[in-house]
Amino acid sequence: AQSVTQLDSQVPVFEEAPVELRCNYSSSVSVYLFWYVQYPNQGLQLLLKYLSGSTLVKGINGFEAEFNKSQTSFHLRKPSVHISDTAEYFCAVIPYNNNDMRFGAGTRLTVKP
Amino acid sequence: GAGVSQSPSNKVTEKGKDVELRCDPISGHTALYWYRQSLGQGLEFLIYFQGNSAPDKSGLPSDRFSAERTGGSVSTLTIQRTQQEDSAVYLCASSLVGTGKETQYFGPGTRLLVL
Repeated sequence: AQSVTQLDSQVPVFEEAPVELRCNYSSSVSVYLFWYVQYPNQGLQLLLKYLSGSTLVKGINGFEAEFNKSQTSFHLRKPSVHISDTAEYFCAVIPYNNNDMRFGAGTRLTVKP
Repeated sequence: GAGVSQSPSNKVTEKGKDVELRCDPISGHTALYWYRQSLGQGLEFLIYFQGNSAPDKSGLPSDRFSAERTGGSVSTLTIQRTQQEDSAVYLCASSLVGTGKETQYFGPGTRLLVL
């Protein structure tokens, strides 16, 4: 079965600084990759996803992620964060051949003024 | 239209009691998923429904957990003889068809506390 590792459980960063949230996965089959965000007291919403094609994917709120097949990574980046980006971020994968989506444990991004 | 809704938003129960959690997916979505989010952990896949096909129950942690989906719409997750380790947020999501590459739309969750 596939698995997802988010290497950092917490990432504190100052406002307007760049940020990278790391995600590595393991799977014996090809997968689709996703980043979801969970703002405080809200449900999860999709930030971006990689299905095929260009390995650099742009999402909402200025976030982007790059799929690296050789390193089995899908790191999320933003060049300049805002206070409003404070949230929990989840990386997820789902195999081409079934619907067993696996999530990482999450990374709590805290943006400080 | 309306998003995925779940009820109740919070549920406190005593150990050994049964609970039912409800999910109303987005109208027209044929795929429905249940996940469990425990404190400090990621989301754990529980069960998946796709149209009239037999559900994928591979993520259910024990036979105390069951789910059904009536009429291809509303779903109920039932936990029998609840245990303290069942305390978590239970999330429901739906997607249009369920091909895997589609966006899943999540409900706000039901926060279950077993005393």
